[in-house]
Amino acid sequence: AQSVTQLGSHVSVSEGALVLLRCNYSSSVPPYLFWYVQYPNQGLQLLLKYTSAATLVKGINGFEAEFKKSETSFHLTKPSAHMSDAAEYFCAVSKHTGTASKLTFGTGTRLQVTL
Amino acid sequence: DTAVSQTPKYLVTQMGNDKSIKCEQNLGHDTMYWYKQDSKKFLKIMFSYNNKELIINETVPNRFSPKSPDKAHLNLHINSLELGDSAVYFCASSQGGGTETQYFGPGTRLLVL
Repeated sequence: AQSVTQLGSHVSVSEGALVLLRCNYSSSVPPYLFWYVQYPNQGLQLLLKYTSAATLVKGINGFEAEFKKSETSFHLTKPSAHMSDAAEYFCAVSKHTGTASKLTFGTGTRLQVTL
Repeated sequence: DTAVSQTPKYLVTQMGNDKSIKCEQNLGHDTMYWYKQDSKKFLKIMFSYNNKELIINETVPNRFSPKSPDKAHLNLHINSLELGDSAVYFCASSQGGGTETQYFGPGTRLLVL
């Protein structure tokens, strides 16, 4: 079975500081990995995804993530946090089932950005 | 020009009632999904349909019944609502599976009293 583990349910950074949100995965096959962001009272929006091409994936809003097979990790980073980055972030692994994909989500990390 | 829309946005109801949540996507996608997000923000897939055919059916009480009248719509009907059904329900759609991105609706916040 596939799973993801997000370390840290709550991360607080100062505006302008580095953002690092951790995600480790477990998968018996090469995984497809995703990071989604959820702003308060909204749906989920894709930040970026890993599809076995480049190991360093660039996403929207200045975020990027690096797939490290040896560490089974897919951590999300942003060099400089902005107040608007405050949200809930979810890492997910996808299991392909023909014409659909089952996304298995981590428990989420709430990012707080302070002045 | 909303991509994935859900109605209603909020739903407050009494235990034992039956309710439906509607979802529509205008992205031309073939696959649609229902997810449940509990009070701890944990997201779990419930169902997936491809072109009106049920593809994924997770361990969900049979009080929950999805219905797909066409590939642009996937509705969720819930019978005999229980307190534990209180959650946010998200609809999503994608063009097939694998690496395809799932696009999520804004969610329906269900509160069962």
